[in-house]
Amino acid sequence: DADVTQTPRNRITKTGKRIMLECSQTKGHDRMYWYRQDPGLGLRLIYYSFDVKDINKGEISDGYSVSRQAQAKFSLSLESAIPNQTALYFCATSDFQRERSTLFFGPGTRLTVL
Amino acid sequence: DQQVKQNSPSLSVQEGRISILNCDYTNSMFDYFLWYKKYPAEGPTFLISISSIKDKNEDGRFTVFLNKSAKHLSLHIVPSQPGDSAVYFCAASGVYAGGTSYGKLTFGQGTILTVHP
Repeated sequence: DADVTQTPRNRITKTGKRIMLECSQTKGHDRMYWYRQDPGLGLRLIYYSFDVKDINKGEISDGYSVSRQAQAKFSLSLESAIPNQTALYFCATSDFQRERSTLFFGPGTRLTVL
Repeated sequence: DQQVKQNSPSLSVQEGRISILNCDYTNSMFDYFLWYKKYPAEGPTFLISISSIKDKNEDGRFTVFLNKSAKHLSLHIVPSQPGDSAVYFCAASGVYAGGTSYGKLTFGQGTILTVHP
């Protein structure tokens, strides 16, 4: 079984729709992250959470919101999707207690906004 | 401003030869560097890392070199195998003012490595 799972794996939606991407992990890590990947830009940090009560904006948080429902669950929402949010989205976890800065990524969600 | 740059979008090598992937960074606060490998339809997976107190780290066929004065690191794969064909991302982290930034990685754009049989 995968340690970090993401649902859905693929999603096509229309401009203005609300979308939620979900992430669950069984690694027992405290820290969770949302990144997006765009061609030629690499992966960029959207939001991160160091525990259930701690949520922080990353470098490209505009247009996104997150919810940390439990230690194991971290969801990303697009309140009103726009075409330039078409990208590959990755959830990741890390355990600072064991290894510094090593992120474990989920398989990704490919989102297309028409 | 791209703080971590991989200037070669792609690299093609013959099986058995050496693959050298390069990465440059601009932020002098970075003190920990990582390489991730990504196959299609999968998330990136951790490959190897290096702390700024070292200039070399080896793990089997993979070696990462760090040149702090040049703010440059490279990943060497010897010998290259067709299964190494993937996108390779360089990433960096550091401790910023106000506390730790562990886990907050800044990634390069990625280099597509193709190893031909």
